[in-house]
Amino acid sequence: DAGITQSPRHKVTETGTPVTLRCHQTENHRYMYWYRQDPGHGLRLIHYSYGVKDTDKGEVSDGYSVSRSKTEDFLLTLESATSSQTSVYFCAISRTESATNEKLLFGSGTQLSVL
Amino acid sequence: DQQVKQNSPSLSVQEGRISILNCDYTNSMFDYFLWYKKYPAEGPTFLISISSIKDKNEDGRFTVFLNKSAKHLSLHIVPSQPGDSAVYFCAASVIGSGAVNQFYFGTGTSLTVIP
Repeated sequence: DAGITQSPRHKVTETGTPVTLRCHQTENHRYMYWYRQDPGHGLRLIHYSYGVKDTDKGEVSDGYSVSRSKTEDFLLTLESATSSQTSVYFCAISRTESATNEKLLFGSGTQLSVL
Repeated sequence: DQQVKQNSPSLSVQEGRISILNCDYTNSMFDYFLWYKKYPAEGPTFLISISSIKDKNEDGRFTVFLNKSAKHLSLHIVPSQPGDSAVYFCAASVIGSGAVNQFYFGTGTSLTVIP
């Protein structure tokens, strides 16, 4: 979706190094999410944000931190990357909470390899 | 623990025939369900959704059925087309709880439509 941009698209890094993934949206949506996709696990929520500087943990948040200083940007940081964090990372946005017509809009993903 | 399960990792169907993708969930609080479609190297895209107040929702060739007593939903694609070949994820959420929507995804089913 052109309204969501993830960068970088691909990254290879070494164990123990810090890594930051960026998600930028032009939709002015309030809610932003980071998911990881792994074989046999589907998509799992890492962290989410419900406004500027308002974030919370998802089901697989260990080893990750996030920040949201502007509505349009949501950063995911791996403080010290491990091989278990090799994955495809997706950013998603949504407009409102608790609505029967709500749905997530996803970015194109970041393929991260930790060697 | 996987709250949303797709027990068939893959499915092959002849063009023109019906594709049936299945999804089971364990959390009886889930009341909103979605299907996403994902092509390689792209983010998931929303396909169709259903609220628990309904047992069926149609959108063109796509129909989702919900059986709340069995905690089961299925996606029917009729007729199947080669362009439908993709990975399909089901997702579930609890809406109206006052909390931010957290969507729980299944592990995905890879559909191949054979011309």
